[in-house]
Amino acid sequence: RKEVEQDPGPFNVPEGATVAFNCTYSNSASQSFFWYRQDCRKEPKLLMSVYSSGNEDGRFTAQLNRASQYISLLIRDSKLSDSATYLCVVNGGGSYIPTFGRGTSLIVHP
Amino acid sequence: GAVVSQHPSWVICKSGTSVKIECRSLDFQATTMFWYRQFPKQSLMLMATSNEGSKATYEQGVEKDKFLINHASLTLSTLTVTSAHPEDSSFYICSGGLGLGGQETQYFGPGTRLLVL
Repeated sequence: RKEVEQDPGPFNVPEGATVAFNCTYSNSASQSFFWYRQDCRKEPKLLMSVYSSGNEDGRFTAQLNRASQYISLLIRDSKLSDSATYLCVVNGGGSYIPTFGRGTSLIVHP
Repeated sequence: GAVVSQHPSWVICKSGTSVKIECRSLDFQATTMFWYRQFPKQSLMLMATSNEGSKATYEQGVEKDKFLINHASLTLSTLTVTSAHPEDSSFYICSGGLGLGGQETQYFGPGTRLLVL
């Protein structure tokens, strides 16, 4: 079983749609969680950290469920510019090496 | 957020030459930096963990004699691809961690695109 798993997609949604991604992790001792966005041929960029209490940044909401060992990312009112690959990253739990999911591809069409 | 730079941004070289890539954390100190490689339409693959003042830790299957890593200071790590071959052509990305150990937020350099002819 992979340490961090994501549905690779692609998720193909119309503008204005709400889309949600999930990411599961296997190490129950993991301490920190992040969502990154990677555009084609570019480096990953931090989208948001994920906290147990959940956090929201504009149209983006991230949630952490420690009991079930998954994190989620919700994007409301999708824009064309949201099209990218979204990477789930988990850190800690006995290792200082961050573990990346393989990414979920999102395509927002007109 | 923290800024990481990489130089050069792209390289074209002949087979057999060595290529050096620099990764710098511009506004923070990174005890640990990571080097990744990404082939087209594939996910990031961790190559090695670069530790300031000590030897790098390589992932399984990554040749340490081919990919030389030096982390001379808290703001600079270098990756040298020795005797590059066409199969080494890829997108190389570094990252530096900011924050407490095990809870660091990774900030990525813009990447270096290597093409070996």
